[in-house]
Amino acid sequence: SQTIHQWPATLVQPVGSPLSLECTVEGTSNPNLYWYRQAAGRGLQLLFYSVGIGQISSEVPQNLSASRPQDRQFILSSKKLLLSDSGFYLCASGYLDNSPLHFGNGTRLTVT
Amino acid sequence: SQQGEEDPQALSIQEGENATMNCSYKTSINNLQWYRQNSGRGLVHLILIRSNEREKHSGRLRVTLDTSKKSSSLLITASRAADTASYFCATDAGGTSYGKLTFGQGTILTVHP
Repeated sequence: SQTIHQWPATLVQPVGSPLSLECTVEGTSNPNLYWYRQAAGRGLQLLFYSVGIGQISSEVPQNLSASRPQDRQFILSSKKLLLSDSGFYLCASGYLDNSPLHFGNGTRLTVT
Repeated sequence: SQQGEEDPQALSIQEGENATMNCSYKTSINNLQWYRQNSGRGLVHLILIRSNEREKHSGRLRVTLDTSKKSSSLLITASRAADTASYFCATDAGGTSYGKLTFGQGTILTVHP
């Protein structure tokens, strides 16, 4: 079965600092990969998804970017964090055709 | 954008009682999924129901889907304190959606021992 690793689990960063969150997937190959953000007490908002190495689609214009340098590695980045970037970031893996998503345990980012 | 709306936003029950959560959505779907999230953790998939199915069971879970009303419900029978969590419905539009899911706002379930 798939395992999604995310790190760090928590992060406190000052406004204007860079960001790099990493997600790696075990137990599968050629997955679709997704970055979601969850505001406190709210549902999930899709930020980026990738169907293959080097392919990134952005769902929401924002201060963040994503990259997929390897098949099972997905990275979320920012050059300069904003206060509004605070939230709970979740990486997920899945496929097409009626398959569920597998989620990592998330990174809680607080921008101060 | 959030497609799903869940009702109620919060539900508090006693152990042994049944819990019912409802989800409504706006556009056509390929399938609808329910997920559970314990506080501060990632989401765990519970059950998937396809657009051509009307009801599905998994253990103490029962999901119904009414595509004509664009709604779904999740029933947890004989609830336990360990069922305390947030529950989310998510829709998959299929086609060129690349497996992307659109999540509702969730229902916070509290089961008192």
